[in-house]
Amino acid sequence: EVQLVESGGGLVQPGGSLRLSCATSGFTFSSYDIHWVRQATGKGLEWVSSIGTGGDTYYSGSVKGRFTISRESAKKSLFLQLNSLRVGDTALYYCARAMNYYGSGVYFDYWGQGTLVTVSS
Amino acid sequence: QSALTQPASVSGSPGQSITISCAGTTSDVGGYDYVSWYQQHPGKVPKLMIYDVSDRPSGISNRFSGSKSGNTASLTISGLQAEDEADYYCSSYTRNRTQVFGGGTKLTVL
Repeated sequence: EVQLVESGGGLVQPGGSLRLSCATSGFTFSSYDIHWVRQATGKGLEWVSSIGTGGDTYYSGSVKGRFTISRESAKKSLFLQLNSLRVGDTALYYCARAMNYYGSGVYFDYWGQGTLVTVSS
Repeated sequence: QSALTQPASVSGSPGQSITISCAGTTSDVGGYDYVSWYQQHPGKVPKLMIYDVSDRPSGISNRFSGSKSGNTASLTISGLQAEDEADYYCSSYTRNRTQVFGGGTKLTVL
């Protein structure tokens, strides 16, 4: 069974840092691109970042320069380092697996349950 | 990258058909056939309903269909059922090799 389990969320003051983790199981971790998507309470989905199987990384404009994505194949885990946090970063952070298929699109076939990040003074 | 534009809400009666639009630009929706749609029920994680504009993952009802014209993609749900009531999000690949979501549409089944 494919599973993604996020952890590391919590309450942090503006300007602070957090490190989110996403532990995976049930699939060959090294063969999949993995993404972070966030959702503020009552709001829509927002794509945050991705890391490819070769370690290539991409970020949304709103987090570029503040967040860093990484992966560790030995632990089958994904990480997101959040620095210089702002009130607007408050959201539920999901890790999501991009499905492997014949094409070049990016589609999320499995999601974790999310970890809540609250930025407040 | 600005969010794709979706109507905030749509509604329909059981058995009817509804269409949700998703407007983007030539840098995303209009430039690639990599549009997807997700369904999200309250308190649940999103579920992939359509990918590559109009393809359905295994197990998704053929009542769900997708299309695209120019910079606007559309999701049509035919034969509306009570369980279709949910939030729907479109998503597209972008020229910056990132992803962008729409703002979401709340579907109400009357």
